[in-house]
Amino acid sequence: EAQVTQNPRYLITVTGKKLTVTCSQNMNHEYMSWYRQDPGLGLRQIYYSMNVEVTDKGDVPEGYKVSRKEKRNFPLILESPSPNQTSLYFCASSLTQHQPQHFGDGTRLSIL
Amino acid sequence: GNSVTQMEGPVTLSEEAFLTINCTYTATGYPSLFWYVQYPGEGLQLLLKATKADDKGSNKGFEATYRKETTSFHLEKGSVQVSDSAVYFCALPSRNNDMRFGAGTRLTVKP
Repeated sequence: EAQVTQNPRYLITVTGKKLTVTCSQNMNHEYMSWYRQDPGLGLRQIYYSMNVEVTDKGDVPEGYKVSRKEKRNFPLILESPSPNQTSLYFCASSLTQHQPQHFGDGTRLSIL
Repeated sequence: GNSVTQMEGPVTLSEEAFLTINCTYTATGYPSLFWYVQYPGEGLQLLLKATKADDKGSNKGFEATYRKETTSFHLEKGSVQVSDSAVYFCALPSRNNDMRFGAGTRLTVKP
């Protein structure tokens, strides 16, 4: 089954404690991206990747890092999380940026 | 850069009512346009798309036409059902290869 898998689905943690949200896709897609969803703001792109070892900033990259060492994986790293990063996060993938994206089920992060 | 402006919600309709959710875009060239739907507790999923001007995308009774004259991609459905209750997002890729989403419109359909 074609899917984008994110883990964890839920996480409550404290300010400053490094965390990683994993994302994996099994469709051999080249384009992957991370979004955060906040009430009234819709989806905002954090980072995207056009292919292995190619990443770029989206609208709201501050406080986040990503890597793309393999085609299927695109982890989101919060080196020193802060309360304003409390949000619902989605990973997505597509063949190219012009093709429809497949989304994961989301990760709800709470930073206390 | 490319962007979309989406009608703000929430929208509440009775079952079998006609639905329109407005979306206008600003773009260089003619990028593909998308409508995504997010059901409660789930990720977004593609509802329909249009890849060039005058294309009509359709799925599950929903339609949207890519209109370059009015730079619009409005979502319509002739008769909504309770199961259509969800959040709807208009989206397009920008020239910089990032994706731009509208703020989302929450639709509630009452029996």
